[in-house]
Parts: sequence; structure tokens; C-alpha cells
Amino acid sequence: DVKVTQSSRYLVKRTGEKVFLECVQDMDHENMFWYRQDPGLGLRLIYFSYDVKMKEKGDIPEGYSVSREKKERFSLILESASTNQTSMYLCASSSGSGTYEQYFGPGTRLTVT
Amino acid sequence: AQTVTQSQPEMSVQEAETVTLSCTYDTSENNYYLFWYKQPPSRQMILVIRQEAYKQQNATENRFSVNFQKAAKSFSLKISDSQLGDTAMYFCAFMKGSTGTASKLTFGTGTRLQVTL
Repeated sequence: DVKVTQSSRYLVKRTGEKVFLECVQDMDHENMFWYRQDPGLGLRLIYFSYDVKMKEKGDIPEGYSVSREKKERFSLILESASTNQTSMYLCASSSGSGTYEQYFGPGTRLTVT
Repeated sequence: AQTVTQSQPEMSVQEAETVTLSCTYDTSENNYYLFWYKQPPSRQMILVIRQEAYKQQNATENRFSVNFQKAAKSFSLKISDSQLGDTAMYFCAFMKGSTGTASKLTFGTGTRLQVTL
């Protein structure tokens, strides 16, 4: 089974802190994604990566950056956390061919105070 | 740009009954995929069912089936013989056919389904 893990289930940070969210997948998938999930808004794509060191902006990249130094790991970085970044963050991965199904991690609920 | 609309924020169904969740989408693409994902309370999002736009036959997975109306851009999910374990948030999602880089999902806002005794 595909496994996507995220470094924390719950995280509380202060305004202005630099925040790192880590995601690891064990299926040698080419593609990795970061979403945020907010009530009434569904999931919105922040950034994605289709190869090591390759990244593209999603629909809401402002205030975020990403890093993919190894194929299995995709990090989301909040350079200076703000209260409007309080949200659930979901990581996903998918193969570069075939069914394109995305496999999701358990999510990180981030609270910025 | 693609949009996905789920007009039912919440629904309720009794155990063993059938329920249909609605989804419409807007796109100018001809090659695409549609998905229904399920997110149980405090658990990971999982794929329920998938439909390729070029296939006329509606996809089925055990108690889950879709009604795919390509001309109407409608993609509803039917859950038969509902079970308590079907209680979850359900998301409809759209993906363009592969263009060589990662294929992105566009999600609807979700429908929260409660299955009751």
C-alpha cells in the first residue's frame, strides 16, 4: 500500500515564525502536492512538484514556498506565519503515469496565534 | 480554468438507504478524469471512484456508482445500502488529461454525509 506521512498531526506556531511541514511518500511517485483545506472552500492547491528540484505554483502560493531535494520528500515552508494561514494542510503524491490517483497523507492542522 | 461545484453542503441518509451526491463541473477540455474522494472524520482522504471522460459506461465500485452525463457536465455519486462507515466528507474532483507534467486536481467544496441508524 502507498503510504504518505506528514511530520505532525497538530502544530501551534506564533505569528512571524518560520514553519516547516514535511511530507514523505514511500511509493517512488514522481508527483507531490500540497493543499490547504478550509471549511466551505474545499481543497486548494498551494504548490506541486513533478520531479526532484522541480516545482510549480498552484492556485494559492502566496506566503508559501516548497522544497524537494529528494524524490520521496516534499516540504512546505511558511516563511513568516500569519493567522490567516491557520488551516489543515494535506500532502498528496501520485505516479507520473497510469491512473493518476492521488494518495493523501493524514494532514497537519496548523494553528497560528 | 476548471471549476467544480457541489451544491449540497450537508446530507443525511438512514442506514441501508440510497443517497445521491451531486457534482457539476465546467471545462473546455475534452480529455479529463473525474473522481470522488472520501474523507472520514479524523482519517485520511481516500479515492472512492474514478471516471475517464472518454468512457461512456458509468464507473461502479461495489456499493458506489456514478451517473456521468458528459454533455450536461454532471458527475453524481450514488451510494447504495448506506452504512455507518460511509459517514464522511465527500469531494468531487476534476483532472485534465496528462500534459506531461503533474496532473492537478481541482476540488469541489465538499458534501458532508451523515449516515444515521
